[in-house]
Amino acid sequence: DTGVSQNPRHKITKRGQNVTFRCDPISEHNRLYWYRQTLGQGPEFLTYFQNEAQLEKSRLLSDRFSAERPKGSFSTLEIQRTEQGDSAMYLCASSLQSRGSGANYGYTFGSGTRLTVV
Amino acid sequence: GESVGLHLPTLSVQEGDNSIINCAYSNSASDYFIWYKQESGKGPQFIIDIRSNMDKRQGQRVTVLLNKTVKHLSLQIAATQPGDSAVYFCAENTGGFKTIFGAGTRLFVKA
Repeated sequence: DTGVSQNPRHKITKRGQNVTFRCDPISEHNRLYWYRQTLGQGPEFLTYFQNEAQLEKSRLLSDRFSAERPKGSFSTLEIQRTEQGDSAMYLCASSLQSRGSGANYGYTFGSGTRLTVV
Repeated sequence: GESVGLHLPTLSVQEGDNSIINCAYSNSASDYFIWYKQESGKGPQFIIDIRSNMDKRQGQRVTVLLNKTVKHLSLQIAATQPGDSAVYFCAENTGGFKTIFGAGTRLFVKA
């Protein structure tokens, strides 16, 4: 397993077009997260999945954004009718959610997909 | 609302010196804290974590200190190396759900 993989690494699209990003998490990880990061800022939470269930969505995730994790493995993030304000780095992370006092909630991040909307 | 912030946006240290990066958090319910390192063009990388029932945890060349009384977190890097140059984020987690990140501190290591 080579870690969390994201494709594509870079995407340039015209305003109004739809884009889709893919994330392949670490295979044994049951949780998958999407974050968005703009220049000079920390990652902002968008949504997360436990297995195939989407458990939480941020207010940042407008109705133009949709994420899926159909079989509890890879995930896709689609942005419809892209706007210039959508330009950012989209980061995917995964973790193995365990219980108990020794649980580790640290994430493994992918290298991200940089979206530029022109 | 929740917020995780940092006292300094940039920190410049001499190679071989110790670095201290500070962070303030506001959610008293947070029970788990993490430091991440992000190099240019890469995603954040987990460095070290600490639970709220601890006040200090040591790793290899790194130490995290947690002061719950003043809601303060710090990352200490011993004998800072050029490879430590990056942006460092503190992050907080409540109950094992989503992790909230701060804005980051950029560490410059001077040779």
